[in-house]
Amino acid sequence: GEDVEQSLFLSVREGDSSVINCTYTDSSSTYLYWYKQEPGAGLQLLTYIFSNMDMKQDQRLTVLLNKKDKHLSLRIADTQTGDSAIYFCAETSYSSASKIIFGSGTRLSIRP
Amino acid sequence: DTAVSQTPKYLVTQMGNDKSIKCEQNLGHDTMYWYKQDSKKFLKIMFSYNNKELIINETVPNRFSPKSPDKAHLNLHINSLELGDSAVYFCASSQNRGSGNTIYFGEGSWLTVV
Repeated sequence: GEDVEQSLFLSVREGDSSVINCTYTDSSSTYLYWYKQEPGAGLQLLTYIFSNMDMKQDQRLTVLLNKKDKHLSLRIADTQTGDSAIYFCAETSYSSASKIIFGSGTRLSIRP
Repeated sequence: DTAVSQTPKYLVTQMGNDKSIKCEQNLGHDTMYWYKQDSKKFLKIMFSYNNKELIINETVPNRFSPKSPDKAHLNLHINSLELGDSAVYFCASSQNRGSGNTIYFGEGSWLTVV
């Protein structure tokens, strides 16, 4: 079945860039997403990319998609303490109908 | 103004009880979902409804029964609660199936079974 994998933890110094990586197995993925979950809160959609794109930029966020390697990354420029959260990679495809498959989440911690 | 709202936000109940979590979306979306997030933060889809019709039913115990009275509501009823049901349950909605820019989650309902 479809699978999405991420590393569980990432620690970054404040002001540096954070890069969170994700790999997926479904070659028919259509949309790939990044969600942010702050402690005790719900899931906030940060950004998404359609599978025929290889890059999307939105202010401090840059999403890179390597469809050949099935690799997705989220770069956060100038990481701030408010960026501390769990970041979930997710994907959906026509073959999976309405299922959105989530990765395990990467916990981003910021050190001074 | 909340797009996807769930109630209650916190629920503590004893084993064996029956409880419901309600979800409403005011976005006019056609598809609604229930996701379960366990203590390790893993998110798994449980159910999906499109225009009140069940379209996804993952391997979930029969004790869990979703009900969609109309396309703006998707409630989750759980019978005979067990300790392992303790989790955060997220409701979500989207305009179309798997649509890229219109999938919104509620704030979550923290269920603790004691």
